[in-house]
Amino acid sequence: DAGVIQSPRHEVTEMGQEVTLRCKPISGHNSLFWYRQTMMRGLELLIYFNNNVPIDDSGMPEDRFSAKMPNASFSTLKIQPSEPRDSAVYFCASGYYNEQFFGPGTRLTVL
Amino acid sequence: KNQVEQSPQSLIILEGKNCTLQCNYTVSPFSNLRWYKQDTGRGPVSLTIMTFSENTKSNGRYTATLDADTKQSSLHITASQLSDSASYICVVGGGATNKLIFGTGTLLAVQP
Repeated sequence: DAGVIQSPRHEVTEMGQEVTLRCKPISGHNSLFWYRQTMMRGLELLIYFNNNVPIDDSGMPEDRFSAKMPNASFSTLKIQPSEPRDSAVYFCASGYYNEQFFGPGTRLTVL
Repeated sequence: KNQVEQSPQSLIILEGKNCTLQCNYTVSPFSNLRWYKQDTGRGPVSLTIMTFSENTKSNGRYTATLDADTKQSSLHITASQLSDSASYICVVGGGATNKLIFGTGTLLAVQP
């Protein structure tokens, strides 16, 4: 298995633009998590899905952020409009029972 | 408030030496405690997961301990290698909503 796949790996955009981050979880895993990591705040859970259903989105910072999981093999995290303070590394993690496997992350820079 | 605090923030050791990283938490109720290793530019990788009933768990040269009474955990690295240079993150599962609560990590540098 290739592990969790995230794209793009790097994204540079201008303030106000829409950004879409993509994640392909490990086949057979039933949970999917989106995290954000910054130097100041460390890793923060944004949202997680169980069997494609959003379970807890209390970590989503505001309405500019939205996440979808249309099927078991794909999820997106969208930011619209983006702001400079959204600059961070966004990780997707795939979960099975009590274990989580992280993807390589997407480094987002909003100018 | 549910919190996870790690110490030290950073640590430099010589290759071959041992080291111990600390994690204190105030998460209640407690479900599990994990240690992750995060190499620069990569996602975290799980080293150990411990539940309430476990007080030690090893993964190669990594040994994690848990004292649920004092709400403390440690990660001991034996005979360090250059590849151990990374950030080590303590994560506690629990709280009213059974979330994962992350520490800010200890940055370890192993020098030759």
